[in-house]
Amino acid sequence: ETGVTQSPTHLIKTRGQQVTLRCSSQSGHNTVSWYQQALGQGPQFIFQYYREEENGRGNFPPRFSGLQFPNYSSELNVNALELDDSALYLCASSSQGVNQPQHFGDGTRLSIL
Amino acid sequence: KNEVEQSPQNLTAQEGEFITINCSYSVGISALHWLQQHPGGGIVSLFMLSSGKKKHGRLIATINIQEKHSSLHITASHPRDSAVYICAVGTGNQFYFGTGTSLTVIP
Repeated sequence: ETGVTQSPTHLIKTRGQQVTLRCSSQSGHNTVSWYQQALGQGPQFIFQYYREEENGRGNFPPRFSGLQFPNYSSELNVNALELDDSALYLCASSSQGVNQPQHFGDGTRLSIL
Repeated sequence: KNEVEQSPQNLTAQEGEFITINCSYSVGISALHWLQQHPGGGIVSLFMLSSGKKKHGRLIATINIQEKHSSLHITASHPRDSAVYICAVGTGNQFYFGTGTSLTVIP
């Protein structure tokens, strides 16, 4: 089975720009979650998608949005980038939500200049 | 106030030592996860548990639901165990993470 893959691995943007990060779920998983991890901090939950619907959201503003596709791959979109958005963005897939083991990708390192 | 608190924040051990990392949480949970993160970012799920105790090789995880507390134990620690260990709790459709325990095992 293929694992969780994220792209790109690194990305540099400037303030005010928009970015799209991508995540390919592990085969057979219908739930994907996105996390933001600032340097030296633990991850913070952004949101979760289950069968193409947002199914839980952390304390992030609306400029953080997502999509899940019929093949269960997912995108994280961030508009109007701010310096504080610089972080490692991780996605994880599972067979169903928080009660199943989470399978993580290696993350996308986003730097905002 | 963090929903998940871990201790210690940093830990240095000699190879072979028994290691304990603690996690306390303040919310009702569906499941608790122990994660391992190596330099560079990759995260591996070690355990998911909602009661009792689980063992995998040299790793043991326990949870006390009444006390809202979990521990991760590493027996016969090895330098390859050096990593950040993160406790996370799933509640409803939310995840809360601790800030992690950075473990260094010295040969």
